[in-house]
Amino acid sequence: KQEVTQIPAALSVPEGENLVLNCSFTDSAIYNLQWFRQDPGKGLTSLLLIQSSQREQTSGRLNASLDKSSGRSTLYIAASQPGDSATYLCAETSGYSTLTFGKGTMLLVSP
Amino acid sequence: DGGITQSPKYLFRKEGQNVTLSCEQNLNHDAMYWYRQDPGQGLRLIYYSQIVNDFQKGDIAEGYSVSREKKESFPLTVTSAQKNPTAFYLCASSIPSGVLLNTGELFFGEGSRLTVL
Repeated sequence: KQEVTQIPAALSVPEGENLVLNCSFTDSAIYNLQWFRQDPGKGLTSLLLIQSSQREQTSGRLNASLDKSSGRSTLYIAASQPGDSATYLCAETSGYSTLTFGKGTMLLVSP
Repeated sequence: DGGITQSPKYLFRKEGQNVTLSCEQNLNHDAMYWYRQDPGQGLRLIYYSQIVNDFQKGDIAEGYSVSREKKESFPLTVTSAQKNPTAFYLCASSIPSGVLLNTGELFFGEGSRLTVL
């Protein structure tokens, strides 16, 4: 059974810092890896999706990388803002459309 | 606007009652999913469906049932057999990742919070 681990479980930074969230997975036959954002009491919003043939994806201040050989993905957030405060989840797809989720990293950006 | 609509947002149930959570999507996606989210445990897959009139059990299907009579709709029934139903339930949809050139990107609804009294 695939496992996805996210480190750290929680992170608190001052506004303006650059930060990295980590995601590791055990399945070498990964199809894609997706990063989500979840605000309290809300659903998940897709941030970035990296297909297995890609090494990174960028959207605004966000950059996600994928290293299949080491089983790791990172989400880099540049110039963090208080509005970035949320829980960030990664999920990998290996089989036919079912995703395995990590437990998330809770991020707090203080003004 | 295209998206996934879950209802109700909040639901209270007495022990021994069955309740049904609604999930409707107008994204023309073939695949739909139900996840359960508990504090500290992440998201766990309950059921999923790749096409109409077909669905498969996920990791924690016991005490739940689903139907997929229409492409747009994938309701989840939480039965009295579910021992600990209090949780946040999330519905999602995607084009199945096995489809050529599809990324398999998953889109979520806003969730339904079920509380057993």
